[in-house]
Amino acid sequence: KQEVTQIPAALSVPEGENLVLNCSFTDSAIYNLQWFRQDPGKGLTSLLLIQSSQREQTSGRLNASLDKSSGRSTLYIAASQPGDSATYLCAVKSVTSGTYKYIFGTGTRLKVLA
Amino acid sequence: GAVVSQHPSRVICKSGTSVKIECRSLDFQATTMFWYRQFPKKSLMLMATSNEGSKATYEQGVEKDKFLINHASLTLSTLTVTSAHPEDSSFYICSAVTSALTDTQYFGPGTRLTVL
Repeated sequence: KQEVTQIPAALSVPEGENLVLNCSFTDSAIYNLQWFRQDPGKGLTSLLLIQSSQREQTSGRLNASLDKSSGRSTLYIAASQPGDSATYLCAVKSVTSGTYKYIFGTGTRLKVLA
Repeated sequence: GAVVSQHPSRVICKSGTSVKIECRSLDFQATTMFWYRQFPKKSLMLMATSNEGSKATYEQGVEKDKFLINHASLTLSTLTVTSAHPEDSSFYICSAVTSALTDTQYFGPGTRLTVL
């Protein structure tokens, strides 16, 4: 059974810091991995999607890497800003009993202090 | 970009009533839609996978008779919470994808259900 864990659960940093969020998964047979952002009481916004054949993806100040063999992904946020404060979720897409599904991690609550 | 809407955004109902939540893909056809449930400060838990024109596939522990899912068209899926109870109060989020294998999933804004 696929399990996805995120560390740390919560993080508070001063503005301007570079930071790394971690995501680990137990079954390396995945199709892709996606990072999302969720603001309080809101839906999810997709940040980056990494296919299983890829090693990393970049968008602006965000960089996500994937090491499928070790079951790990990291989301790197450069020069953090107060507007980056949110919960960050990773999700892996895998197949179970012939059905593909997305399994979400436990999330990291980020607070960037001005 | 692909947009997914949910209606209503918030609903408050009395215990014992049924509530229907709609999930629509506004500018694309969704071959598959997913329904998730999220408790406060917790991650998303997949409830069911819905394919157009076929029965939904429910996750273990999710009561199919309580959470009725209908995916009648390529742009609409509905989740009906039947005989709602206070423990059903939660944030329900749907997502939609255009391809079975590689496409990004697009999320709706969520529906906050409160059962009194």
